[in-house]
Amino acid sequence: SQTIHQWPATLVQPVGSPLSLECTVEGTSNPNLYWYRQAAGRGLQLLFYSVGIGQISSEVPQNLSASRPQDRQFILSSKKLLLSDSGFYLCAWSVRRDTGELFFGEGSRLTVL
Amino acid sequence: RKEVEQDPGPFNVPEGATVAFNCTYSNSASQSFFWYRQDCRKEPKLLMSVYSSGNEDGRFTAQLNRASQYISLLIRDSKLSDSATYLCVVGGFGNEKLTFGTGTRLTIIP
Repeated sequence: SQTIHQWPATLVQPVGSPLSLECTVEGTSNPNLYWYRQAAGRGLQLLFYSVGIGQISSEVPQNLSASRPQDRQFILSSKKLLLSDSGFYLCAWSVRRDTGELFFGEGSRLTVL
Repeated sequence: RKEVEQDPGPFNVPEGATVAFNCTYSNSASQSFFWYRQDCRKEPKLLMSVYSSGNEDGRFTAQLNRASQYISLLIRDSKLSDSATYLCVVGGFGNEKLTFGTGTRLTIIP
């Protein structure tokens, strides 16, 4: 069966510090991969999605970046965090051109102070 | 206008009652429609897909109205365990980019 792992689960970072969130999927090949952010009281905002290794589409211009160094690995990064980067970050995968169901990781709760 | 709009609630409903949520979407070219459920501080999970003909899964019924560009979710005989936030989700061709509504919060009262 397929599983998705995301870490760290919780982190508190100072403004201006770097960020790295990692996500891996097991039990499937060639998944679509996604990074979403959910700010308090707001809906899920799509940040990046990837349909293959090295292929990243950015939905929101900001100080975040994403990389997909391997088929089932997706990394979200920032060189310098802003206060507005605080939120609940969710990695997700889906089967390409299938039902559209997204399978989410357990999320990473980021607080920037 | 937001791409996907939902009434944020909260809806406080007594156990056993029937509750309905609506969701509107702005892109008439949207191809796929879903309801997700999100428990407090947890990740969203698919509740059900929404088909043009409408579909039912136990106590849950989903409807799609393409002409008016809205989808609905009906929960009958509500249980305490139904308390959660319900997210309306709309996708285009290929489903590579799904757009989530802000969610409707439901609390079932004993």
